[in-house]
Amino acid sequence: NAGVTQTPKFQVLKTGQSMTLQCAQDMNHNSMYWYRQDPGMGLRLIYYSASEGTTDKGEVPNGYNVSRLNKREFSLRLESAAPSQTSVYFCASRTGGQETQYFGPGTRLLVL
Amino acid sequence: AQSVTQPDIHITVSEGASLELRCNYSYGATPYLFWYVQSPGQGLQLLLKYFSGDTLVQGIKGFEAEFKRSQSSFNLRKPSVHWSDAAEYFCAVGALRVSRDSTLTFGKGTMLLVSP
Repeated sequence: NAGVTQTPKFQVLKTGQSMTLQCAQDMNHNSMYWYRQDPGMGLRLIYYSASEGTTDKGEVPNGYNVSRLNKREFSLRLESAAPSQTSVYFCASRTGGQETQYFGPGTRLLVL
Repeated sequence: AQSVTQPDIHITVSEGASLELRCNYSYGATPYLFWYVQSPGQGLQLLLKYFSGDTLVQGIKGFEAEFKRSQSSFNLRKPSVHWSDAAEYFCAVGALRVSRDSTLTFGKGTMLLVSP
């Protein structure tokens, strides 16, 4: 039981490049989330998915797209990376009734 | 919209001393409240949570927190800090959305430093 896994762990991009961050969970959770973490800002929600086939915007969705591929996987795509997207990205998934979110180890992204 | 305030950006505590990290929230209904801990370079680990019932909740690693509705607070405490507790601590409030799910709003975190 690996919990929430994220790939890659680290990535360096040039401005304008695209990439997809992958997230998978093996806990049979319905809900999945993407956050970004910046120094002094805490975690801010980018997008979330309440169930397979549904996605909703969070606090900071601009510049990102998401895909809920199936119940296990939730990917985050940067179509044209910008230096402002340099951050640590966390994926999380949630149990049913009790609102606890479980987090992955994070992806550290540097956009030059 | 809900919000969370952690007034202290950094706190330094001597090893063996007691600890209290402050958290204030704003939310119109009964909140779900959480404390998470993040060690350097790591993901977030749940310390404890409050949904309802007893306002004093116990968590892992000897931490506890008390929900005080009148003060809109959910402060984290530990009676005796260990050097391994040095980390960043995040308070979060969960809110139900009109759509199909609920989300968390995080505070900006408090960095705990432990001195020998």
